[in-house]
Amino acid sequence: GAGVSQSPSNKVTEKGKDVELRCDPISGHTALYWYRQRLGQGLEFLIYFQGNSAPDKSGLPSDRFSAERTGESVSTLTIQRTQQEDSAVYLCASSLGAFLPRNTQYFGPGTRLTVL
Amino acid sequence: AQSVSQHNHHVILSEAASLELGCNYSYGGTVNLFWYVQYPGQHLQLLLKYFSGDPLVKGIKGFEAEFIKSKFSFNLRKPSVQWSDTAEYFCAVNEGGSYIPTFGRGTSLIVHP
Repeated sequence: GAGVSQSPSNKVTEKGKDVELRCDPISGHTALYWYRQRLGQGLEFLIYFQGNSAPDKSGLPSDRFSAERTGESVSTLTIQRTQQEDSAVYLCASSLGAFLPRNTQYFGPGTRLTVL
Repeated sequence: AQSVSQHNHHVILSEAASLELGCNYSYGGTVNLFWYVQYPGQHLQLLLKYFSGDPLVKGIKGFEAEFIKSKFSFNLRKPSVQWSDTAEYFCAVNEGGSYIPTFGRGTSLIVHP
């Protein structure tokens, strides 16, 4: 089927506003990752969902960041009270299972967030 | 914490030149190693990976990488690059029991025709 999709592709917001980013993983993929990529930097892990297990939130940079996933489908990443340092490309990836060497991560196109 | 270093941030080559992009990591235990590529306007995608067996790994489009455990390295190579190899290349590592990869900051490769 289709690959990983993300929306919106671009989001410009004002400092202090809340934003919600959406990720639609590949159907049947139980693992879902959110990453942040700041300009000139590598991908920074944010949060990981695997099936019905509790998510690994160890990468979330502050309590302004939260994410949810409905079963094994759509996930939303919410950033409250956005700051200028939140400006980045937010990438979502999904894989069939959790063990990375045997399960390829498929990435979405990303959401470019700009906080003015 | 695990770290991944890609020392070449920008590489410019002419077509048919040989390519080697460096990747070093800090973790001393069992690791799984990956190279990802992002072509202009496209999604990030897996180029090749190593998790066991032959340390010389072949990937798509003629790329290969060699895992040298003693050097904590997983360098990417291609004997003759093409203009279509112009892209951003990311090295990633995850510890054997972890499901979270650590990415390097990427290398931008420009190949002139």
